[in-house]
Amino acid sequence: DTGVSQDPRHKITKRGQNVTFRCDPISEHNRLYWYRQTLGQGPEFLTYFQNEAQLEKSRLLSDRFSAERPKGSFSTLEIQRTEQGDSAMYLCASSTPENSHQETQYFGPGTRLLVL
Amino acid sequence: RKEVEQDPGPFNVPEGATVAFNCTYSNSASQSFFWYRQDCRKEPKLLMSVYSSGNEDGRFTAQLNRASQYISLLIRDSKLSDSATYLCVVNTPYSSASKIIFGSGTRLSIRP
Repeated sequence: DTGVSQDPRHKITKRGQNVTFRCDPISEHNRLYWYRQTLGQGPEFLTYFQNEAQLEKSRLLSDRFSAERPKGSFSTLEIQRTEQGDSAMYLCASSTPENSHQETQYFGPGTRLLVL
Repeated sequence: RKEVEQDPGPFNVPEGATVAFNCTYSNSASQSFFWYRQDCRKEPKLLMSVYSSGNEDGRFTAQLNRASQYISLLIRDSKLSDSATYLCVVNTPYSSASKIIFGSGTRLSIRP
């Protein structure tokens, strides 16, 4: 399967614990995005990378959230001291735009987080 | 006002019917537009891009109205398998990056 993959697919944790999610983009894609999606809403942008550089972070990304893409390939999203409000689906997408306004994203299956 | 707005629905239509829904966007500098389909508890999947001249893919037709800043999706001869949430996506370029905003989605339910 050469699509975007995410691991784990599901995570249940207790409030206050740290969690880390991984995303492996489509191999030739240089852009990687993280989104959060809650029930009844569209995906909300969290952050994105172009190669290994983190170019933008949303206001939604509090200081408890950190993302890395150390070698410009896979990325990790860590949430420290989880709160119940962090419960959501975390989606990763990748793209390789020919130019900035012809960008098509391809999504991974998501990691569903439940904080008890 | 949200940057991208959609009627949340649900639209509940019989199999074989034609259904259409719109998505409005607020930024006139937006350049590219997409419709994604999302099944329950699954990831969004690209349905089609929306081109200025309008485009068709089988039973699906997408149109863009730049003057009124909306895009539309028309589904003809709807199938039970079309039941899903349809997400509108708007891409606004700035600098060397792009700003991609998703609508909240329109739920469609096709009944037998």
